Amino acid sequence: GAVVSQHPSWVICKSGTSVKIECRSLDFQATTMFWYRQFPKQSLMLMATSNEGSKATYEQGVEKDKFLINHASLTLSTLTVTSAHPEDSSFYICSARDYGGGSGNTIYFGEGSWLTVV
Amino acid sequence: AQSVTQLGSHVSVSEGALVLLRCNYSSSVPPYLFWYVQYPNQGLQLLLKYTTGATLVKGINGFEAEFKKSETSFHLTKPSAHMSDAAEYFCAVSDGNTGNQFYFGTGTSLTVIP
Repeated sequence: GAVVSQHPSWVICKSGTSVKIECRSLDFQATTMFWYRQFPKQSLMLMATSNEGSKATYEQGVEKDKFLINHASLTLSTLTVTSAHPEDSSFYICSARDYGGGSGNTIYFGEGSWLTVV
Repeated sequence: AQSVTQLGSHVSVSEGALVLLRCNYSSSVPPYLFWYVQYPNQGLQLLLKYTTGATLVKGINGFEAEFKKSETSFHLTKPSAHMSDAAEYFCAVSDGNTGNQFYFGTGTSLTVIP
C-alpha cells in the first residue's frame, strides 16, 4: 500500500539552531500534505496544510515564520523549525492524501519525527 | 466545523475482557470517521475507518466500531482484550467534502491488566 515516510525519526538539536523534517510520499503523488504536532500525553494538533507549489496554510496560533513549510514537489514536503527552543520539543507527524490510483481517496500518515531541543 | 470528544482519557481492562473506547463527534457534513492506535514512541496506525455504507466497520487486530448517526458516536470495541492492545487510541473525523484535514480527539490510553 501507499507509504508516507518521514525523516529523521529522531533528532536532537541545540537551542537556537534550525532543524528540517522531511515528509515523502513514496509511491503516490500528494498535492496536499498536512503537518501535525503532538505534545506528550496529548492529541495531535494540525499545524498547517502544505500545498504543492504554493504557500502553506497555517492554523491559528502557529507561527509561520518559525515553522517553515516547503512543498516543492508532489512527493516531498519539509517542515523546518527555525531557531528552535526547548518548548519546540515535540512529536511532529505528517500526512498525505492519495487522490488517485488503486488507493482512491485515502490519507496516509508518516511514522512521525521526535524532536528534542536541548 | 468538526470536533471529536473521547470520553475517558484512561481506560483499564483485564486481559480477555471487553474493550470499549468511546468517541463522539460533531460535524456539519457527513463525516469520515477513523480510529488510530499509537504504540509508545511510534507513529499512527490506522485501525479502521468509516466513510459510507455499512455502519459496522471491522478493522485490524479484532477491533470494530459502529457509526451511529443518531448518537453522533463511533465507539471502538474489541470482544477480548490482549496485552498487546495496550496503547494510545485516537478517534478522528474529517469531512466528506475535503477529506483532507483531520480533527483528533484527545486520545484514550488503554491499559490491559494481566
